[in-house]
Amino acid sequence: GNSVTQMEGPVTLSEEAFLTINCTYTATGYPSLFWYVQYPGEGLQLLLKATKADDKGSNKGFEATYRKETTSFHLEKGSVQVSDSAVYFCALSDRSDMRFGAGTRLTVKP
Amino acid sequence: NAGVTQTPKFQVLKTGQSMTLQCAQDMNHEYMSWYRQDPGMGLRLIHYSVGAGITDQGEVPNGYNVSRSTTEDFPLRLLSAAPSQTSVYFCASRLTVDLYNEQFFGPGTRLTVL
Repeated sequence: GNSVTQMEGPVTLSEEAFLTINCTYTATGYPSLFWYVQYPGEGLQLLLKATKADDKGSNKGFEATYRKETTSFHLEKGSVQVSDSAVYFCALSDRSDMRFGAGTRLTVKP
Repeated sequence: NAGVTQTPKFQVLKTGQSMTLQCAQDMNHEYMSWYRQDPGMGLRLIHYSVGAGITDQGEVPNGYNVSRSTTEDFPLRLLSAAPSQTSVYFCASRLTVDLYNEQFFGPGTRLTVL
């Protein structure tokens, strides 16, 4: 079945550091891929998405590229801010449901 | 639009009690789903619905029931609560089951079963 594996955390960075959170997936067919962010005490919010191979999703300085050859969708940001501290979830969607990774907690220190 | 709303925000139950978690959306979305979030396990799908009158099981359906009598509402029922059901529950909706559509999440219900 479909599944998502993402880099375990927690990840702690200093402000303005480069961020990478790895995500790989297993799927039959051609799913859509998503990154969601969860701030403390809140539900998940869509950060970015990509619907086909080689698509790049981007939002708020974050970006991820749908790599079919490596079945990956790694999240990157060039310069993180304290306000980026949150839990990040990689997810894939096919016609029946959406599967999530375990989540990666990011803490950014001033 | 209020988006996806859930009630209650917090709930404490004793083992064996039953209760219903409420979920509503005002976006006229066809697809609705329930997830539970446990530490280190991400979100796991409990049940989903692709439209009024249609429901199906997800990864972890045991101990839970759902119904979808209207497009707007998708309640989750715990039949006989167990400590293993202590979790944070999220309701979500998307426009259709089409795989391109993002899901919109409610704020969650934190449930503790003693």
